[in-house]
Amino acid sequence: DAKTTQPTSMDCAEGRAANLPCNHSTISGNEYVYWYRQIHSQGPQYIIHGLKNNETNEMASLIITEDRKSSTLILPHATLRDTAVYYCIVRVGGNAGNMLTFGGGTRLMVKP
Amino acid sequence: DAMVIQNPRYQVTQFGKPVTLSCSQTLNHNVMYWYQQKSSQAPKLLFHYYDKDFNNEADTPDNFQSRRPNTSFCFLDIRSPGLGDAAMYLCATSSYRGVFFGQGTRLTVV
Repeated sequence: DAKTTQPTSMDCAEGRAANLPCNHSTISGNEYVYWYRQIHSQGPQYIIHGLKNNETNEMASLIITEDRKSSTLILPHATLRDTAVYYCIVRVGGNAGNMLTFGGGTRLMVKP
Repeated sequence: DAMVIQNPRYQVTQFGKPVTLSCSQTLNHNVMYWYQQKSSQAPKLLFHYYDKDFNNEADTPDNFQSRRPNTSFCFLDIRSPGLGDAAMYLCATSSYRGVFFGQGTRLTVV
C-alpha cells in the first residue's frame, strides 16, 4: 500500500471549516483514499472514501486532486466533538482482503 | 446497533497469565482483523482471516495467536502477556467498501 503524509497536528475554531490535508504521491491507479478518525479510547470510525471524484456525505467532504497525489478532508462546521486523530489511508479497492495500513494521522483539536 | 462487538471493553490480566479477547460481527464479512494500538501510536495489524485462511504479519510475536471458529466470531489469545503487551486491541471486519472497527478492548497487564 502507498504511504501517506499528514501534518502531526492542527487546530480549528469551533464552527469553522476544518481542512485536513494528506499527501499520497505514490498512490496506484487501483488504490482508494480512505479517511478514518479515532476519538480518544474508541475504535477508528469510517468517515469517507473516494477514488478520483470528489465525495460528500453527512460527515464530511473529500477533495482529491486531479493527479490523485493529494487530498483534503473537509469538516464543514467543526464542533468540539470532532476533536480526534484523523487518519488518511490508501487501500487497494475491489477485494475485502486488502489491508488497511495506518500512518501517523493528524491530531485535530477543535477549540471554543 | 453495533456491528463489530468486542468484549470486554477493559481487561486486566496478570503478567504471564493467558488471556483471551473476543470479537463478534453481525455484518457477515469474510475478513476479520486484529490490530494492536499502543498509547499515542497508530493501530498496527497483527493478523487477519480471510474466511478460515489465517494470515500472520511477519513481525507479530509468537505470543499472539488467533482463532476463528465461524464467520461471526474471532478470538485473540495472548499466551503469556508481558508488560509490553498492554495496549488497546482492535477487531475489524472488511468488505470491498471498507473496514469497520469495534470499540476495542483495553488490556492492562499487572
